Amino acid sequence: EVQLVESGGGLVQPGGSLRLSCAASGFTFSSYAMHWVRQAPGKGLEYVSAISSNGGSTYYANSVKGRFTISRDNSKNTLYLQMGSLRAEDMAVYYCARVKVATSGAFDYWGQGTLVTVSS
Amino acid sequence: AIRMTQSPSSFSASTGDRVTITCRASQGISSYLAWYQQKPGKAPKLLIYAASTLQSGVPSRFSGSGSGTDFTLTISCLQSEDFATYYCQQYYSYPRTFGQGTKLEIK
Repeated sequence: EVQLVESGGGLVQPGGSLRLSCAASGFTFSSYAMHWVRQAPGKGLEYVSAISSNGGSTYYANSVKGRFTISRDNSKNTLYLQMGSLRAEDMAVYYCARVKVATSGAFDYWGQGTLVTVSS
Repeated sequence: AIRMTQSPSSFSASTGDRVTITCRASQGISSYLAWYQQKPGKAPKLLIYAASTLQSGVPSRFSGSGSGTDFTLTISCLQSEDFATYYCQQYYSYPRTFGQGTKLEIK
């Protein structure tokens, strides 16, 4: 069974840092591109970042470019999102998502999400 | 970035109704479009990809159509479990972008 389990969310002050993790199981993690998507409270879905299967290519939304870093450790089947210089507008539930095989960007499995709260 | 616009933003319907949600892209995206269903407190669930291909395990009352800039999601006979928020998403180019969502409520 495919599972994605996020962790690392919590309360952080504006300007602070946080690292999110997404532990994958039930599939060959190293064969899949992975993405982060977030959802602010009561709002819609916002695309955050992407990484290729081997980690060689990454993409960031303009809203997080220069502040967030996506990475992965295929030996540990884990995806990461290092977040820095956090702002109030970064407060959201962060989801990791797997790209469906034979598509370039439809997300067929999602984690349960981890909440990041940015507040002093 | 490609802008995805859904309509309506919300509406009310009854069990058994046929409903259609529209998604328009600000530029052509071929068939690189997905539809998701999200219930409160849960992660989105993939319903449709490649504009019209039903994801495995999704009931056949869901269908998608369109290409280029105009797309639709149709639910042929609403069931109680279908009341949720629906999002379209393009994966033609980066950044991947979502529509603002359509909240389907019980009348």
